[in-house]
Amino acid sequence: GQQVMQIPQYQHVQEGEDFTTYCNSSTTLSNIQWYKQRPGGHPVFLIQLVKSGEVKKQKRLTFQFGEAKKNSSLHITATQTTDVGTYFCAGSDYKLSFGAGTTVTVRA
Amino acid sequence: DAGVIQSPRHEVTEMGQEVTLRCKPISGHNSLFWYRQTMMRGLELLIYFNNNVPIDDSGMPEDRFSAKMPNASFSTLKIQPSEPRDSAVYFCASSFDNYNEQFFGPGTRLTVL
Repeated sequence: GQQVMQIPQYQHVQEGEDFTTYCNSSTTLSNIQWYKQRPGGHPVFLIQLVKSGEVKKQKRLTFQFGEAKKNSSLHITATQTTDVGTYFCAGSDYKLSFGAGTTVTVRA
Repeated sequence: DAGVIQSPRHEVTEMGQEVTLRCKPISGHNSLFWYRQTMMRGLELLIYFNNNVPIDDSGMPEDRFSAKMPNASFSTLKIQPSEPRDSAVYFCASSFDNYNEQFFGPGTRLTVL
């Protein structure tokens, strides 16, 4: 069945630095979604990508969907303490499958 | 809209007791999902409903777990009997169709002693 893998599992970032988290699927996806979960909170939807090669930006966050629609990335520039949390990708063919998440901590 | 509502927010019970978690999805959403989150296993999909019908319950760990959706505005997840390894945060989420943006509730933190 469909599996969505995320790397890295943990990301420790110095405030002000950039980082990228990656999401890979074993099957072609119809769309991919990204969620953020703050410590103690619940996952909150960030964005959905549908088209092959699609790139979307939200302020310091850049999301990309691979040409083959089997991988995606989230790049955060100039990391801030407010970026702390776990970022999940979720891929969809007939149902949404969540990756294990990348947990981000920030050193001030 | 109040968003997805879950109750209780916290539940502490003893092993062997029955536990019922409740969820009210966002009005108009026709898909409802139950997830379990632990440090060891991450976010796991237990079951999802579409138009009140269970579509995929392959994530339900065992027969001790059951879920119902008697109408479009209410769902329950029941554990009977509960065990310490069931301790986790249980999230309910709803969406318009099963592949669109999901809205999560605040979760129920379950502790089984």
